[in-house]
Amino acid sequence: EPEVTQTPSHQVTQMGQEVILRCVPISNHLYFYWYRQILGQKVEFLVSFYNNEISEKSEIFDDQFSVERPDGSNFTLKIRSTKLEDSAMYFCASQGSRTGPYEQYFGPGTRLTVT
Amino acid sequence: AQSVAQPEDQVNVAEGNPLTVKCTYSVSGNPYLFWYVQYPNRGLQFLLKYITGDNLVKGSYGFEAEFNKSQTSFHLKKPSALVSDSALYFCAVRDTNAGKSTFGDGTTLTVKP
Repeated sequence: EPEVTQTPSHQVTQMGQEVILRCVPISNHLYFYWYRQILGQKVEFLVSFYNNEISEKSEIFDDQFSVERPDGSNFTLKIRSTKLEDSAMYFCASQGSRTGPYEQYFGPGTRLTVT
Repeated sequence: AQSVAQPEDQVNVAEGNPLTVKCTYSVSGNPYLFWYVQYPNRGLQFLLKYITGDNLVKGSYGFEAEFNKSQTSFHLKKPSALVSDSALYFCAVRDTNAGKSTFGDGTTLTVKP
């Protein structure tokens, strides 16, 4: 069964450094998302992406964050200058279309640790 | 605006007993409702959804959920719990067919032998 993949599984970085989290959504899916989950807490929406542009973003997704779909298969989340509070599990998700199926399929996540 | 409430942080049941994990929601239009399960150090795994149609929806691993429009609830149920069902369960809602999902705080289900 097709699945969303994410790399790396764990990223440790120093405060102020740039990180890029990578995702390969399910092929032929059209909608892409990033969510994050601070340890043991609720899952929070960051950004949605459709037709090569951001369709919605949350207040968390400030100027330090950016997303890109550079080559038609990968979907990346960049944090330009990481803060301690960016430490979390970051999940990529993809959805097929507006006409169904409607569920978002999640990747296994990247655990980001900022020291 | 859309929101989800999972009123119980923890649900404990004995193996073989029925289980219910509660979820209530608020959306401005018709709800798209989902349940996900998360095992330790793993991603979110889709269990079931309600979009339209029958109020009782069946999903993976014997789980089902009942949509109740008047009570704005979407409780997750299983007739006979297994120890392997022990995990963190999230209810999610959105008001469009594609877009941001809003998740509840999660409910930890523990099934004891």
